[in-house]
Amino acid sequence: QVQLVQSGAEVKKPGASVKVSCKASGFTFTHYDINWVRQAPGQGLEWMGWMNPNSGDTGYAQKFQGRVTITRNTSISTAYMELSSLRSEDTAVYYCARVETTNMDVWGKGTTVTVSS
Amino acid sequence: SYVLTQPPSVSVAPGQTARIPCGGNNIGSKGVHWYQQKPGQAPVLVVYDDNDRPSGIPERFSGSNSGNTATLTISRVEAGDEADYYCQVWDSSSDHLVFGGGTKLTVL
Repeated sequence: QVQLVQSGAEVKKPGASVKVSCKASGFTFTHYDINWVRQAPGQGLEWMGWMNPNSGDTGYAQKFQGRVTITRNTSISTAYMELSSLRSEDTAVYYCARVETTNMDVWGKGTTVTVSS
Repeated sequence: SYVLTQPPSVSVAPGQTARIPCGGNNIGSKGVHWYQQKPGQAPVLVVYDDNDRPSGIPERFSGSNSGNTATLTISRVEAGDEADYYCQVWDSSSDHLVFGGGTKLTVL
């Protein structure tokens, strides 16, 4: 079935980087953009950026410019989101989602990233 | 930057109709999407492009969009509809995706 499978939970120290993976199955990976969205504890959804897996083109939310990098490996249908210079406020659940025109119709289950010294 | 405004909470009795507004400047000119999120789960798309439903979403879920307000309407509300609901648009002027702050729907 159509799904996005994300990597497991991470615990990082302030200043470190984290790289979350998102493996697509059940559909052609290069036919759909991928968005990354995060949700801090008790907070709303926050868009981080997008990637076109076919071209590798990316776009990032202004808030994360310079700190986030979205990449892909088409041979294994996997997208990656790397966030650097982590701080406690980056503690959140990170989701990848398949983009259908401008909405997100398939979501991963989320990856919990905890930033703590 | 473009801002979407939702009320923090809406309450409704079972069997009644819930209406969740999403305000934005001339939002009627944009395509609005709605997501349902239950505790500990990923969001689920319930309405897209103002008033279309993905397969598997009950007809009780509908949407409208005009002027400065989009609205998600849930008819014949059930206990299982209790969740957070988020509206979302793509702001082409900034090339940014924008979410509303979310509305917690409580079924009394």
